[in-house]
Amino acid sequence: DAKTTQPTSMDCAEGRAANLPCNHSTISGNEYVYWYRQIHSQGPQYIIHGLKNNETNEMASLIITEDRKSSTLILPHATLRDTAVYYCIVLGDTGRRALTFGSGTRLQVQP
Amino acid sequence: GAVVSQHPSWVICKSGTSVKIECRSLDFQATTMFWYRQFPKQSLMLMATSNEGSKATYEQGVEKDKFLINHASLTLSTLTVTSAHPEDSSFYICSARDTRDRVGETQYFGPGTRLLVL
Repeated sequence: DAKTTQPTSMDCAEGRAANLPCNHSTISGNEYVYWYRQIHSQGPQYIIHGLKNNETNEMASLIITEDRKSSTLILPHATLRDTAVYYCIVLGDTGRRALTFGSGTRLQVQP
Repeated sequence: GAVVSQHPSWVICKSGTSVKIECRSLDFQATTMFWYRQFPKQSLMLMATSNEGSKATYEQGVEKDKFLINHASLTLSTLTVTSAHPEDSSFYICSARDTRDRVGETQYFGPGTRLLVL
């Protein structure tokens, strides 16, 4: 599975959009980009995933560059409850393998 | 979305005792479940892959005789920490993949079990 690179930490003002970048320059054609987040002392929560098209759901939007070497997770209106560690994970196959968690980005939403 | 539960949510035990943690998929069936461990200020580390009706696959460095995994049904996997010691104190998390999911679908995580061994 392709390795990902994320900033260690980011701050965002409450009510503003949070844009979390992820580099995955070695991604291959059949690998998906997944985003999860982990709020303190809880299990990871699925946010969104995509292959090559941009995706949007009730939680966030995922923008994948045309060359698929990077992506951005967008939380359109961050709230204090969005403070968490966000993980960008690339995974191929049918998902039978486990997710490999890196260090993620610690997002702190400021009041 | 799909729900995965874990029981207990936290446990304190004496050194040398065994602790069983249950992971259940509540509204879907899971052929495969995964067990992770997370130490303070660290990321999740995969311990083992649990397959229904067959033996679990352990990651390098994880003792299979110490961390017993049983996946007896499509909705339940258990992790037993045998002869627990203080260094086994950690946050144990399971995840499950819906059997019906097609390529690219997601895995769902339980809320975790915090184990403290005294």
